Amino acid sequence: DAGVIQSPRHEVTEMGQEVTLRCKPISGHNSLFWYRQTMMRGLELLIYFNNNVPIDDSGMPEDRFSAKMPNASFSTLKIQPSEPRDSAVYFCASSFGTADYGYTFGSGTRLTVV
Amino acid sequence: AQSVTQPDIHITVSEGASLELRCNYSYGATPYLFWYVQSPGQGLQLLLKYFSGDTLVQGIKGFEAEFKRSQSSFNLRKPSVHWSDAAEYFCAVGFSGGGADGLTFGKGTHLIIQP
Repeated sequence: DAGVIQSPRHEVTEMGQEVTLRCKPISGHNSLFWYRQTMMRGLELLIYFNNNVPIDDSGMPEDRFSAKMPNASFSTLKIQPSEPRDSAVYFCASSFGTADYGYTFGSGTRLTVV
Repeated sequence: AQSVTQPDIHITVSEGASLELRCNYSYGATPYLFWYVQSPGQGLQLLLKYFSGDTLVQGIKGFEAEFKRSQSSFNLRKPSVHWSDAAEYFCAVGFSGGGADGLTFGKGTHLIIQP
């Protein structure tokens, strides 16, 4: 099992540009989570999906952020337009059912907006 | 609102010494409790979890944690640390649905191992 795969690992972009982060969850997992990690705020849950359906997006900071999960094996987190304060590490995690097995995290995407 | 507190931002321990990392939560019912470890540049790896039953749970890499309802705590312990244990440790709590609706994480404790 390759685990949760995120791409790209690093992204540097200019303010105002669109950024798309990608995630492939573990096959068979039916829940997918997007987290953001910063020094100031720690790990924050942005949005999560269950069976490809967005369940709770209350953690999405602004309308500039959007997430989709078109199928069980792929999800995207988009920021448009990006701002310097969006700089952070974005993690995707997946789990099966009620997380009895714990969440499996990807290695993250380090986003720098200049 | 529910919250998770890790009171120690940094902890320094000598190699071979024992370790205890503190975690406290605020919630009215019994939560689902987790400890994760994050090495530099890596994602989070699950060390152990508590859902119910025996309040002392064993995890990977020789770690254990004890749930104490009266103290709203879930402290992580290891009897003898190794230099490879140097990392960031996160306590996390799922408050409903077994954590299926997302976890709330503490701010983390940075563990430094002295030779």
